[in-house]
Amino acid sequence: DAKTTQPPSMDCAEGRAANLPCNHSTISGNEYVYWYRQIHSQGPQYIIHGLKNNETNEMASLIITEDRKSSTLILPHATLRDTAVYYCIVSTGTGFQKLVFGTGTRLLVSP
Amino acid sequence: SQTIHQWPATLVQPVGSPLSLECTVEGTSNPNLYWYRQAAGRGLQLLFYSIGIDQISSEVPQNLSASRPQDRQFILSSKKLLLSDSGFYLCAWAPSGGYLGELFFGEGSRLTVL
Repeated sequence: DAKTTQPPSMDCAEGRAANLPCNHSTISGNEYVYWYRQIHSQGPQYIIHGLKNNETNEMASLIITEDRKSSTLILPHATLRDTAVYYCIVSTGTGFQKLVFGTGTRLLVSP
Repeated sequence: SQTIHQWPATLVQPVGSPLSLECTVEGTSNPNLYWYRQAAGRGLQLLFYSIGIDQISSEVPQNLSASRPQDRQFILSSKKLLLSDSGFYLCAWAPSGGYLGELFFGEGSRLTVL
């Protein structure tokens, strides 16, 4: 599976959009981009995933560049409860899959 | 609906003692099962995964073992714990075959080895 690079930490003001970047320059054509988050002392929570097109759900939006070498997770109106570690992962998404988590980005949302 | 349960939630064990962490999934059949570990201040490390009963794959050499005696039961064990085994252990499941949409995690088991 391709590796990903994320900034170790980011800050965001409550109510503002949080834009979390991820580089995955070695991604293969059949690999999806997944985003998870982990609130302290809990198991990771799935947020969103995508292949080529931008995706949006009730939690976030995922913007994938045309060359697919990077992506951005957008939390449109961050709240204090969005403070967590956010993981960007790439995986084939078919057959047997194993998600390999890196160290992620620690997002701190402040009042 | 599907649920995943892990126990115990917390555990304090002396060095050299055995370990058994259990994970069960309800509401689905033939899931892919995973054990992850998170050491303090670190990311998640994949330890074991299983695609079926008695089919276990290990990702890293270590002092731990895993077993899957039943379709929806996944057990993490050790015969003799080391200090370095301390951490937050997470069990997860995903639908088998086909397309992976989401990996579902349990609540986790926090192990402290003294």
